[in-house]
Amino acid sequence: DAKTTQPPSMDCAEGRAANLPCNHSTISGNEYVYWYRQIHSQGPQYIIHGLKNNETNEMASLIITEDRKSSTLILPHATLRDTAVYYCIVRVRSPGGYNKLIFGAGTRLAVHP
Amino acid sequence: AAGVIQSPRHLIKEKRETATLKCYPIPRHDTVYWYQQGPGQDPQFLISFYEKMQSDKGSIPDRFSAQQFSDYHSELNMSSLELGDSALYFCASSFSVRGDDEQYFGPGTRLTVT
Repeated sequence: DAKTTQPPSMDCAEGRAANLPCNHSTISGNEYVYWYRQIHSQGPQYIIHGLKNNETNEMASLIITEDRKSSTLILPHATLRDTAVYYCIVRVRSPGGYNKLIFGAGTRLAVHP
Repeated sequence: AAGVIQSPRHLIKEKRETATLKCYPIPRHDTVYWYQQGPGQDPQFLISFYEKMQSDKGSIPDRFSAQQFSDYHSELNMSSLELGDSALYFCASSFSVRGDDEQYFGPGTRLTVT
């Protein structure tokens, strides 16, 4: 699976958009970009994933560059409850239980009033 | 919506004792993953099961074993516990037959070895 690089920490004001970058310059054509987050000591939470098109769901938007070497997770209106460690994970999708998640260092997002 | 259930939520054991952690996946999910998260560390993959068969294995010590039962719940058995086994243990489940495989995590079991 391709290696990812994320900034160790970011700050965001409540109500503003939080834009979390991820570099994955060695991504291969069949690898997806996944985002998970972990609020303090809770189980990680799936946010969104994409292959090459931009994706949006009720939690966030995922913007993937045309060359797929980087992506940005956007939380459109951050709240205090979005304070968490955000993990960008790149991997292929295989049926049958081979899709383990390899967590890197992640970005610690702090949302402040 | 139903979530992943883990029990117990907290467990205190002494060195050299054994521990059994249980995981009940979301109904109709066919895959279970186990992760270990030490203090101040990121989660690390231990082992996974698909349709009751072991599918993948990570850095799981030989003292640990796991299985998935006919009702799809899974148990992680840990023997000869060491102080370094103190960690949060997360179970995640997914429906992976098509490879969609978004993993949904349980609340974790906090194991403390004294």
